[in-house]
Amino acid sequence: EAGVVQSPRYKIIEKKQPVAFWCNPISGHNTLYWYLQNLGQGPELLIRYENEEAVDDSQLPKDRFSAERLKGVDSTLKIQPAELGDSAVYLCASSSGGGPDTQYFGPGTRLTVL
Amino acid sequence: SQQGEEDPQALSIQEGENATMNCSYKTSINNLQWYRQNSGRGLVHLILIRSNEREKHSGRLRVTLDTSKKSSSLLITASRAADTASYFCATAVGGTYKYIFGTGTRLKVLA
Repeated sequence: EAGVVQSPRYKIIEKKQPVAFWCNPISGHNTLYWYLQNLGQGPELLIRYENEEAVDDSQLPKDRFSAERLKGVDSTLKIQPAELGDSAVYLCASSSGGGPDTQYFGPGTRLTVL
Repeated sequence: SQQGEEDPQALSIQEGENATMNCSYKTSINNLQWYRQNSGRGLVHLILIRSNEREKHSGRLRVTLDTSKKSSSLLITASRAADTASYFCATAVGGTYKYIFGTGTRLKVLA
């Protein structure tokens, strides 16, 4: 079974530039999560999807961050414009949903904003 | 904000020794999970314990949960160099399936 796929693995951009991250969850997983992980910290939830619906986006800075999960499968997380403080690892995870459940994480995208 | 706090922040032990790390949390929970993260990788699920369970085992892992103290512990027995990683607890806040991760314990097992 293929795991959660994320791309790109690394991204370096100048501040004020836009950036997008892509996630392909495990086949059949209805729940998809985007997390932000700063160095030396645990992941912090940005947004959670149940199928194509964002059921928890309370932690997403909506002035510059946006996300979508068209057709309830792949998801894209975008930052526009990026700021120096956005440098972090962006993790995508998926689970089969419907209750307390194991989350399967992708390898993450390490973003560096210069 | 992070609900869970792991203790210690860092732990260094010799191969073959046991490693114990603790997690404290603030609000009522549905369940608590432990994850491992190797350097530069994503997180890997280790074990889930529900709020009505007190202890759970999986191979060399033993997890306990004390809801009255709002704390959990992860014990790794007979540690190996390959156990070197960061370990995080994640709690599902009561009534929701929103998982909040702790700050992590960085474990180093010396060969």
